[in-house]
This record gives sequence, structure tokens and C-alpha cells, in this order.
Amino acid sequence: GAVVSQHPSWVICKSGTSVKIECRSLDFQATTMFWYRQFPKQSLMLMATSNEGSKATYEQGVEKDKFLINHASLTLSTLTVTSAHPEDSSFYICSATGGTGNYEQYFGPGTRLTVT
Amino acid sequence: AQTVTQSQPEMSVQEAETVTLSCTYDTSESDYYLFWYKQPPSRQMILVIRQEAYKQQNATENRFSVNFQKAAKSFSLKISDSQLGDAAMYFCAYSYTGNQFYFGTGTSLTVIP
Repeated sequence: GAVVSQHPSWVICKSGTSVKIECRSLDFQATTMFWYRQFPKQSLMLMATSNEGSKATYEQGVEKDKFLINHASLTLSTLTVTSAHPEDSSFYICSATGGTGNYEQYFGPGTRLTVT
Repeated sequence: AQTVTQSQPEMSVQEAETVTLSCTYDTSESDYYLFWYKQPPSRQMILVIRQEAYKQQNATENRFSVNFQKAAKSFSLKISDSQLGDAAMYFCAYSYTGNQFYFGTGTSLTVIP
């Protein structure tokens, strides 16, 4: 089946620094990638949608200058949290669709971000 | 606006028994996809089952089946012969474009040995 990887799986950074999370589709071309944020025991909150080579579309309330998303190739998308603050601590999940027409999302294993 | 509602925050089931998780959604579209995802403690989202709205036949995957009622906009998940490994959060999701997915708030399923 289609596999999506995320790196790192867990990251701790100091307040004010930036951290980059990578999302890769390992065995298929991801025409669209999604970035979600999930708080403990809550649902997934869509942050942004990106198509390869295009600017990401951010959901209302998501600061595009703080959460930089780059989808430079059909297998890689990155989320950079700039000037991180403790309130940015969360679980970030990426997913990808391969344009097969069945609308199935393939999820990465997630990245736990802790900002101290 | 598309919304997905899961009215059961928590459910429990005895091992080997059957449990049904509820999901309703709101849409004006006629063709779309519905999904059930499982999120175990590892937090890896796993697709359990998928239903295409234009198909009248309910989807089935081994012990997992759905009751899709298009007119009622209802999409419930039935887990038969529940196993300890079924314990997880279950999310219902909807998509009609493939570019936007709407998730319910989730149901936490406990399996009692």
C-alpha cells in the first residue's frame, strides 16, 4: 500500500527557534498533501492543503507566515514552524492523496512538537 | 457547509461482541466519499473502510461493515467479533472533491476483555 513518512517523529525546540517537519510519499506521487494539527483527545484540524508546485491554501485562522508549507516535488512537502512558542506544541500529521480518483488519504505517522 | 457529526464520544464493547459507531453528515452534494479511520495509541491514522456515495451496496472489510443511508445522511460503522486490538479512536470523514476532507470529533472505543 501507499506509504507516507514523516521526519522527525518527535522534536523539542526552544521558544523563538524554527523547526522543519518533512512529509514524504515513499511509493507514489502525491498530487495533494495536507497538514493537520491534533490536540490530545481531539479530532484532526486541517491547517493547509498544498498541491505540488503551487502555494498552499491555508484554513481560516492559520497564520501562513508562521506555518510555512512548501510542496516542492510530488513526493515531498515540508512544514516549517517559525519562531515557535509553547502554544505551538502539538501533534502534527501530514497526509497525501495520489490522484487515483478514490479520494483516499494516506497518513504519515505524525510528529510531536514540544516547544520549551 | 459540510459537517460530520459523531454523537458518541466514548463507546465500550465486550470482547467478541458487536458494536456500532454512529456518524451523520451534512452535504448538498450527490457524489462523494465517506471514510472511517482508526487511530490507535500510536496515533497512526489507519483507513478502516471507504464508501462511495453512488454505490448502494454497503462496504464491508472483514469484521468491519457500514450501514450507509444516503437519504438520512448516516454512515455507521459496525465492528463484529470485537478484538482487543480494535481499541482506538475512530473518526468518520467525508470528502467530495478529494482536496478537502471533513472529520468528525471521534469516538473512543474501549474493548473489555
